[in-house]
Amino acid sequence: AQSVTQPDIHITVSEGASLELRCNYSYGATPYLFWYVQSPGQGLQLLLKYFSGDTLVQGIKGFEAEFKRSQSSFNLRKPSVHWSDAAEYFCATLPNDYKLSFGAGTTVTVRA
Amino acid sequence: DVKVTQSSRYLVKRTGEKVFLECVQDMDHENMFWYRQDPGLGLRLIYFSYDVKMKEKGDIPEGYSVSREKKERFSLILESASTNQTSMYLCASSPQGTSYEQYFGPGTRLTVT
Repeated sequence: AQSVTQPDIHITVSEGASLELRCNYSYGATPYLFWYVQSPGQGLQLLLKYFSGDTLVQGIKGFEAEFKRSQSSFNLRKPSVHWSDAAEYFCATLPNDYKLSFGAGTTVTVRA
Repeated sequence: DVKVTQSSRYLVKRTGEKVFLECVQDMDHENMFWYRQDPGLGLRLIYFSYDVKMKEKGDIPEGYSVSREKKERFSLILESASTNQTSMYLCASSPQGTSYEQYFGPGTRLTVT
């Protein structure tokens, strides 16, 4: 079954620095891929989604992600991190019509 | 503003108790979901419902049941709570046909002692 893996459990980044979070997917067919963010004490919020077409997708809060079939990756990026970006980030895929399958998550700490 | 609310943010129960977790959404969504979130495991789907009185098992339904008597409300029931059900429980909803775009509640942190 289609699944995603997030290799990094925890990342620390300085405020103003760039951020890249890794996500690898399994399965051969073009997957549907998503990034969600969970701020402290909050539920998850959809950042962006990829179905097909342009491999660079823009999301909310200044985030973008790039789909790379050759590397089976869908990495999330932000050019300049703000303290409010400290959160847990989840990559997800849609193995069937109704069920999201989430990665284990990456916690991002932002230092001043 | 869209809203998914969960009845409690924190809950402490004893082993063997029957536990009810309530979720209400105000977006008229057809789909509703219950997940549990554990460190290092991400979110795992317990049950979902695509219509009133309809339910489907997710990945980890054992020890849980659900009820959806009204469109806006989806309840998770732990028939006899056990310590391994100590976890964060998240409820979500989505419109019909867009199950990927889920709106989440803030979660209920359940501790079973």
